[in-house]
Amino acid sequence: KNQVEQSPQSLIILEGKNCTLQCNYTVSPFSNLRWYKQDTGRGPVSLTIMTFSENTKSNGRYTATLDADTKQSSLHITASQLSDSASYICVVSAGGGGNKLTFGTGTQLKVEL
Amino acid sequence: DTGVSQDPRHKITKRGQNVTFRCDPISEHNRLYWYRQTLGQGPEFLTYFQNEAQLEKSRLLSDRFSAERPKGSFSTLEIQRTEQGDSAMYLCASSPAYREYYGYTFGSGTRLTVV
Repeated sequence: KNQVEQSPQSLIILEGKNCTLQCNYTVSPFSNLRWYKQDTGRGPVSLTIMTFSENTKSNGRYTATLDADTKQSSLHITASQLSDSASYICVVSAGGGGNKLTFGTGTQLKVEL
Repeated sequence: DTGVSQDPRHKITKRGQNVTFRCDPISEHNRLYWYRQTLGQGPEFLTYFQNEAQLEKSRLLSDRFSAERPKGSFSTLEIQRTEQGDSAMYLCASSPAYREYYGYTFGSGTRLTVV
């Protein structure tokens, strides 16, 4: 069964600090891995997308890594801001369109002063 | 085109009533997806369309749920005889058919509360 597991479930950090969120997956076949940011009461917004040939992708202060051999990904947030407080969802696609996405349950990040 | 639009943003209804949600995808996207998301969980797939054809439905989509995309543009999701367990965020997403992952875009969702 395809699964995506994220850790930690929740995290509190001080503004300005860095943090790393983890994603482990067992999805086959593998097409791409995406990280989304979801603010409370809003839809998910794409941060990064990586195919199997990419092992790192950056989007501003967000940097995602992918190890397709160990089936692990991480999302590193640098110099956190209060606006980074959100749920971060890891999504793995088996490709081919349709219902081929497996969602993690997200890491709830809170950035405090 | 400013993205995927969903209407209404919030809906409160009494148990047993019918509700209908609308999704307007990005205009050049021919794929449209519906998801349901409950608190603390990731989105769960409900159904998807390619143009006007409904190609896949989840087992979550009970007989009380129906989705349409009559002209291959906007889509509606109707829930009949709502139950308290239907309370959730209903998300719509759209994508192009080719290299869908680069254009995959979610709407802001419709928050349904059944009282």
